[in-house]
Formats: sequence, C-alpha cells, structure tokens
Amino acid sequence: SQQGEEDPQALSIQEGENATMNCSYKTSINNLQWYRQNSGRGLVHLILIRSNEREKHSGRLRVTLDTSKKSSSLLITASRAADTASYFCGEAGTSGSRLTFGEGTQLTVNP
Amino acid sequence: GAVVSQHPSRVICKSGTSVKIECRSLDFQATTMFWYRQFPKQSLMLMATSNEGSKATYEQGVEKDKFLINHASLTLSTLTVTSAHPEDSSFYICSADDRDGSGYEQYFGPGTRLTVT
Repeated sequence: SQQGEEDPQALSIQEGENATMNCSYKTSINNLQWYRQNSGRGLVHLILIRSNEREKHSGRLRVTLDTSKKSSSLLITASRAADTASYFCGEAGTSGSRLTFGEGTQLTVNP
Repeated sequence: GAVVSQHPSRVICKSGTSVKIECRSLDFQATTMFWYRQFPKQSLMLMATSNEGSKATYEQGVEKDKFLINHASLTLSTLTVTSAHPEDSSFYICSADDRDGSGYEQYFGPGTRLTVT
C-alpha cells in the first residue's frame, strides 16, 4: 500500500513557538492518528480523528482533518524542548484498523 | 492506558541464526496485533497483521517463511526472524488493537533493536 506524505520532513523552532506538521494521504480513511516517537523508542499515541470530524484538541495539540483534500495537520502550541521527537500520521482505511504511516516529521525545539 | 510490552528490547545475533521477539498486551486482550519494521530515520513499514488463532496476513514483499508469526493467545504474538542476515538488522515494533478492527487506536510496544552480525 502507498504511504502518505508528511511535510516538512524536518522542522527546527525555538521554545515557545508553534509547530505545524502536515500529512497527506491517498485513500479513503476511517480515521487518522498522530503519533510521537522519541529516538529509538516505540510510538506514543497523541490523537485520533475520525473521518467525520474536522478538528480535535488535546492540551497543546490541535489536529485538523480535511477529507476533501485528503490532508491533516498537527499543531503544537507553545512548544517545549521536550517536544523534540519524530511525529507520524497513520491513516486507518475503511476496511479495518491497520495503519499506513507517513514519512514523519522530525521536530527539534531549541531551548 | 493500555500497555504493550516487547521482549527483548535489544538482541545481537550471528548471521544464520534465528531470533524470536515477543509482543504482549499487558492489561487487555488483543485479537489483532501488527508487526512493523523501521530502518534508521525512516517510517514504520507494516510487515504483517497477526490474528489470534489464525494465520498472519503478510504485506506484499514480506517473506512469510522468513518472518514467522504466531498469535497463540489473546495477549501474546511472536515474530521469529529465521536465518537472520545483516540486512534484517532493524527496529521491530509491534502494536495491539483491543477492538476487532473497528478503527480504534493502536497501542505500540517499545520496540526491539535487532542487530545481525
């Protein structure tokens, strides 16, 4: 299956700034999920947004979904050095829960 | 929240030997588990979907005879890399779905770093 694309591939910002990452996908989805991965570790689930939802919030995280453009964005507000990690979007197709991941965005937050 | 463990976290083996990696759901029953492989600075690539009590479904290009998957119980799936070679060196991650494919979030294990010398 084809993977989606994420941009930017790498993002470097200063602490306190906002970080926006985008994800595009190719097929119809049941839901889209955002994950965070620290170097050499497993994935930590951040937010799940269903295909009939347009926006979700969780703390400093805001996710949007535009099914007409087949794209999603993850916004981290007031970033912290501890937010430094790779962020992946995974889309779950309509046939089940298997996820197809995008290439990921490496976020670096400089103190 | 739901916890998934993997064992071992790191393994080094000689070329030609086999390695078994365990994935356990600690506080929930997982009818479906997924195995991913991740090369450095790359995304996760799904290798196979493991269903309790039935044969695993492999993704295109993944050799089922090389990557043996067993999901004998609702809390344990194993991945055995047979006759490992240096190109099999990678980060292997499992995830578990505590719903029956209805699109809920997956819980990921911490990963297993395999190095084949």
